[in-house]
Amino acid sequence: AQSVTQLGSHVSVSEGALVLLRCNYSSSVPPYLFWYVQYPNQGLQLLLKYTSAATLVKGINGFEAEFKKSETSFHLTKPSAHMSDAAEYFCAVSLEYGNKLVFGAGTILRVKS
Amino acid sequence: DAGVTQSPTHLIKTRGQQVTLRCSPKSGHDTVSWYQQALGQGPQFIFQYYEEEERQRGNFPDRFSGHQFPNYSSELNVNALLLGDSALYLCASSRLEMNTEAFFGQGTRLTVV
Repeated sequence: AQSVTQLGSHVSVSEGALVLLRCNYSSSVPPYLFWYVQYPNQGLQLLLKYTSAATLVKGINGFEAEFKKSETSFHLTKPSAHMSDAAEYFCAVSLEYGNKLVFGAGTILRVKS
Repeated sequence: DAGVTQSPTHLIKTRGQQVTLRCSPKSGHDTVSWYQQALGQGPQFIFQYYEEEERQRGNFPDRFSGHQFPNYSSELNVNALLLGDSALYLCASSRLEMNTEAFFGQGTRLTVV
């Protein structure tokens, strides 16, 4: 069975600083990996996805993530944090595209001015 | 394009009652998945419907049931509500054969008292 571990339930960065949100996965087969963002009282919005095409994936709002098979990781980064990035971020894994998503517990990102 | 729409946005029910939540998928999508997101946790997969059949199911009791209609819209029914069923219920749609990623609705906040 697949699983996702997000290290750090809360991350705080200053505006303009690097954002790094960590995600490690467990999967018996090469997975599909996703990062979603959730603003308060809202649904989930897809930031980016890995589907085995390129290991470095670029998403919306300046975010990117790198798939590292040897480390079973898919960390999310953004070079310069903006106040509008404050939200909760979820990493998710799926064995087949279109199949159920298994989510991590989420990381709340706080951006300080 | 209205995206994925869910109704109602909020509701309050009493223990033991039954509830029905509704979801209209994004235009062109034929697959609907339901997730439960308890406070402070990541979404948990309940089940997925495709061609009016339950295609996959997560680890939820039989009190949770669903339906998909010919127009691809879907309902989630929960019987004999427990306090622990209080959560944000998210609907996600996709187009299975086209391998599209899941698009999420805003969710229905269910409170059981």
